[in-house]
Amino acid sequence: AQKVTQAQTEISVVEKEDVTLDCVYETRDTTYYLFWYKQPPSGELVFLIRRNSFDEQNEISGRYSWNFQKSTSSFNFTITASQVVDSAVYFCALSEGASNTGKLIFGQGTTLQVKP
Amino acid sequence: NAGVTQTPKFQVLKTGQSMTLQCAQDMNHEYMSWYRQDPGMGLRLIHYSVGAGITDQGEVPNGYNVSRSTTEDFPLRLLSAAPSQTSVYFCASSWGGSYNEQFFGPGTRLTVL
Repeated sequence: AQKVTQAQTEISVVEKEDVTLDCVYETRDTTYYLFWYKQPPSGELVFLIRRNSFDEQNEISGRYSWNFQKSTSSFNFTITASQVVDSAVYFCALSEGASNTGKLIFGQGTTLQVKP
Repeated sequence: NAGVTQTPKFQVLKTGQSMTLQCAQDMNHEYMSWYRQDPGMGLRLIHYSVGAGITDQGEVPNGYNVSRSTTEDFPLRLLSAAPSQTSVYFCASSWGGSYNEQFFGPGTRLTVL
């Protein structure tokens, strides 16, 4: 069965520190998609990135980077030089390709607090 | 573009009452879904629709009904509210398929007393 695990419930860092949010997934599909969403204190869900199972290339977007490793079934998210505005709940999610229904399986979320 | 809209933003119900959470999108998305968010559990899929007239159950469908008569609207009905349905409800839409990211509405915070 498919599952997403974010073992870190809460992380607290001081501004300018680097921080990595872990995401481990389980699926029997060979085609699948992984997502990260951000939920700031205002409550909305904001899409950050999508990665498909055939593309293990790491991605960098400004201070954000993502490391996808199929060998360990992980899709980790790193924020470099964190800022107070990065404080939010971050969700990792999985969508399986075989059904192609777009159903998302979410992890439990990691609450990141960045202190000034 | 308003994106995905949800009404109401907040609602308090008594046990046994029924109500409908409204969701609408103006992006002509085929796929729409409802999730509930509970502390420590992430978001869980309640029901979803891959197009007008087609709906299916997600992970936690009990106590909820949906219908999709138009592309734009996807209401969620609570038949007889229970305290266990106290949660934040999010509606989402996308172009469909597993590849496309979903766009989420602002959420409805529901409390059942």
